[in-house]
Amino acid sequence: AQTVTQSQPEMSVQEAETVTLSCTYDTSESNYYLFWYKQPPSRQMILVIRQEAYKQQNATENRFSVNFQKAAKSFSLKISDSQLGDTAMYFCAFMRDHTGTASKLTFGTGTRLQVTL
Amino acid sequence: DAGVIQSPRHEVTEMGQEVTLRCKPISGHNSLFWYRQTMMRGLELLIYFNNNVPIDDSGMPEDRFSAKMPNASFSTLKIQPSEPRDSAVYFCASSPPGTSGYNEQFFGPGTRLTVL
Repeated sequence: AQTVTQSQPEMSVQEAETVTLSCTYDTSESNYYLFWYKQPPSRQMILVIRQEAYKQQNATENRFSVNFQKAAKSFSLKISDSQLGDTAMYFCAFMRDHTGTASKLTFGTGTRLQVTL
Repeated sequence: DAGVIQSPRHEVTEMGQEVTLRCKPISGHNSLFWYRQTMMRGLELLIYFNNNVPIDDSGMPEDRFSAKMPNASFSTLKIQPSEPRDSAVYFCASSPPGTSGYNEQFFGPGTRLTVL
């Protein structure tokens, strides 16, 4: 079974600053995917960024980037130039590789991020 | 194109009553997931279907919970009888078919269930 750990229940950052959210995971799988989801107060789950474990290059999506350390089983999210709209719960998630059928997401407990003026 | 549709958005019921949550996946998607979000346990998978067939129901808490997917465009999650500890947000998600090792899951807006 896979586990995902987010050790920071809450974080705060000032607008325009950079913040890093931490995530570690444990798995015996060799092929898998890692995700960061954002859940604003509307509670909608929004995919922020995805990382394939077989890719060494860290994924980036505009102001969002990850630091993927496969050997350390670490997957942190960096948000640059933070904006008030980034205020939300952020969940790290794991999905094993699959072909044909689907696979479930295993989530961490989340980090509540507050962006302040 | 419409996203995943869930109904109702909010449900308040009394302990012992039957509750039915509904989900319409995105057209063309062939996998459907039910997740539950609580303060104590976070987000956890209850059950998922592939081509209308239940694949993994190991997350279903107990016999009071049941899920069905009678066709590709509709699924229900039923709780009977409901208990206060079932209070949570229930999410439905769907993903498209594909031959790659990953298919993105698209989440619905969730149903907030309160059992008094």
